[in-house]
Amino acid sequence: NAGVTQTPKFQVLKTGQSMTLQCAQDMNHNSMYWYRQDPGMGLRLIYYSASEGTTDKGEVPNGYNVSRLNKREFSLRLESAAPSQTSVYFCASSGGGFGRNSPLHFGNGTRLTVT
Amino acid sequence: AQSVAQPEDQVNVAEGNPLTVKCTYSVSGNPYLFWYVQYPNRGLQFLLKYITGDNLVKGSYGFEAEFNKSQTSFHLKKPSALVSDSALYFCAVRDMNTGFQKLVFGTGTRLLVSP
Repeated sequence: NAGVTQTPKFQVLKTGQSMTLQCAQDMNHNSMYWYRQDPGMGLRLIYYSASEGTTDKGEVPNGYNVSRLNKREFSLRLESAAPSQTSVYFCASSGGGFGRNSPLHFGNGTRLTVT
Repeated sequence: AQSVAQPEDQVNVAEGNPLTVKCTYSVSGNPYLFWYVQYPNRGLQFLLKYITGDNLVKGSYGFEAEFNKSQTSFHLKKPSALVSDSALYFCAVRDMNTGFQKLVFGTGTRLLVSP
């Protein structure tokens, strides 16, 4: 049981390059999320998908796009990377729907450096 | 807006001693509160949650948390610390401004347990 799988684990980009972070979950969860983690700032929500076919902006969506490809997969795209996007990115999923408080299950993260 | 504050960047405790990691919250309405733990190079793992009911919530790995409405606090506790408890701990609150389960995280507290 893999849980939430993120690829790649590490990535170095040059300013202006683009890339897609991949995330897949095998727990049949409805909801998926992308967070970024920066020192002293905790985790901040970039985008989320409450259910297959829907996506919504979180706290810090600028510079990112997402795709909920199917129930299992939720990708995060950086169209033109900037040094401010250097961070550790976490994908998470949860089985809860409206009004429920199911725990989030996290992947192990992607460490991205933009030079 | 819903928020949580973790006033201590780091907590140091000797193995075998009790530990407390502090969290205070600010919400409109009833708070839905969570604790997560992050080990090095890993994603966050759910420890426990308070939704309603008993003010003392028991969770994974022997941790518990005490909900105090008058002090707007939700401190994480363990009677006897282990070296393996050393990790980064995050308090989180559910954002009630939407019907969907978005979590807002604190900035994290690093727990160091010395042998």
